[in-house]
Amino acid sequence: QQQVKQSPQSLIVQKGGISIINCAYENTAFDYFPWYQQFPGKGPALLIAIRPDVSEKKEGRFTISFNKSAKQFSLHIMDSQPGDSATYFCAASMDFGNEKLTFGTGTRLTIIP
Amino acid sequence: NAGVTQTPKFRVLKTGQSMTLLCAQDMNHEYMYWYRQDPGMGLRLIHYSVGEGTTAKGEVPDGYNVSRLKKQNFLLGLESAAPSQTSVYFCAGKTRGPNYGYTFGSGTRLTVV
Repeated sequence: QQQVKQSPQSLIVQKGGISIINCAYENTAFDYFPWYQQFPGKGPALLIAIRPDVSEKKEGRFTISFNKSAKQFSLHIMDSQPGDSATYFCAASMDFGNEKLTFGTGTRLTIIP
Repeated sequence: NAGVTQTPKFRVLKTGQSMTLLCAQDMNHEYMYWYRQDPGMGLRLIHYSVGEGTTAKGEVPDGYNVSRLKKQNFLLGLESAAPSQTSVYFCAGKTRGPNYGYTFGSGTRLTVV
């Protein structure tokens, strides 16, 4: 069963626009929600993460919004740049990340000039 | 400082052949993981280890075995390769403690013909 559902599968955004990727989870025991960024031919790399005691976390142009009651969280990329073109994975874990991560299926983001 | 290193980077196997993928880390990670990445399916956990001498099954363990005899190495074995095991394999390491992310290797692309 898929415990973390991610959408959309692919996304095309114009340079300077806002990219939004959504994830929904089922297990209410999850308490750590990271996003990973993967460039072609590379392994995923941690981008930003949030815990459910806050509703939003911002790091530069990247923001996670978290809705605990809806069991949803999303990644917003402001002022999207061609260098942001990559595949993005949401994930969830228990025990503040000490338990194994369950990943979403990924979103291929393309930023066009 | 190499981080997490996977060998080999590419391999083609014939059905029924065996092979071992090596993951080596120099970051003193307690936890190590093997994931496979397939189009549209995200990253799925095969096996993982929470310390030297320990291993556990993940989401898709069938057809694979692992060993962690030394803290810095995590081996993934395929005893009798099948075409369904054609995939990109990623190893990751993690430091024990809250909110630490995974450090991934650069992947092994395996094709079984």
